[in-house]
Amino acid sequence: RKEVEQDPGPFNVPEGATVAFNCTYSNSASQSFFWYRQDCRKEPKLLMSVYSSGNEDGRFTAQLNRASQYISLLIRDSKLSDSATYLCVVTKTGNQFYFGTGTSLTVIP
Amino acid sequence: GAVVSQHPSRVICKSGTSVKIECRSLDFQATTMFWYRQFPKKSLMLMATSNEGSKATYEQGVEKDKFLINHASLTLSTLTVTSAHPEDSSFYICSARSHGGEKLFFGSGTQLSVL
Repeated sequence: RKEVEQDPGPFNVPEGATVAFNCTYSNSASQSFFWYRQDCRKEPKLLMSVYSSGNEDGRFTAQLNRASQYISLLIRDSKLSDSATYLCVVTKTGNQFYFGTGTSLTVIP
Repeated sequence: GAVVSQHPSRVICKSGTSVKIECRSLDFQATTMFWYRQFPKKSLMLMATSNEGSKATYEQGVEKDKFLINHASLTLSTLTVTSAHPEDSSFYICSARSHGGEKLFFGSGTQLSVL
C-alpha cells in the first residue's frame, strides 16, 4: 500500500467554484503534513502546512483528520490562476517525506 | 523563506556525455538534500537522499553509478548523470531541508534533454 494516496483528477471547475481535494496516508506515525502547488515544468512550492485544528489562508483551507488519516484542501472562489497540480506531502521521523501523485486542477473561465 | 538554487535550468546534450546539476541552499545549511526526477504529467519520484559528508542513499531501482551524488558541503549537492542516454531525458528537481527543519524547499528544476 502506498504511503500517500491522492486522486490524480483531473478536476475541471468553473471560475468561482469551490473545490476540495483529499489525500489519505497509511502510517499513523506520520508527523507533519503539507500541501504543495506545482505548475507545469516548475518546482513544487509550499502552499500551506496542515494542522489538526485546521488552518486557513485566504481562499484556501487545509484540514487534518488523524483519526481517519486524511488531509484535505478546500479552495473557495476558484481563480484561473489556481490551475495547477496540488501535491500532498506527509513526513515521518528523520528524512522521510512522502508525496502524493498530485491532483490536477483546471479552472475554466 | 528559504531559497534553494538549482542550475542549469535546461540542458541539451548528446548521448554519451555526462551532465552535472548543482543544487545550492542559499540562506540556510542543508544537512539533507533530495533528488527527484519527474516525467511529464507524472508525480515526483525520489531518486536519492544525500547527507552532507556521507554517501547518498539511493531508492530502489536507481543506479548509483549512473546518477552520482556528491554533498561535500552544507550548502551544495550535485547530481551527475553519467553517460546520458535519451531515456534519461527528464525533469530533475532537488530539494533541501535544514537540520531539524520539517519543510522542504525545492530548486527550480533542470530539464534534461539527451539527443
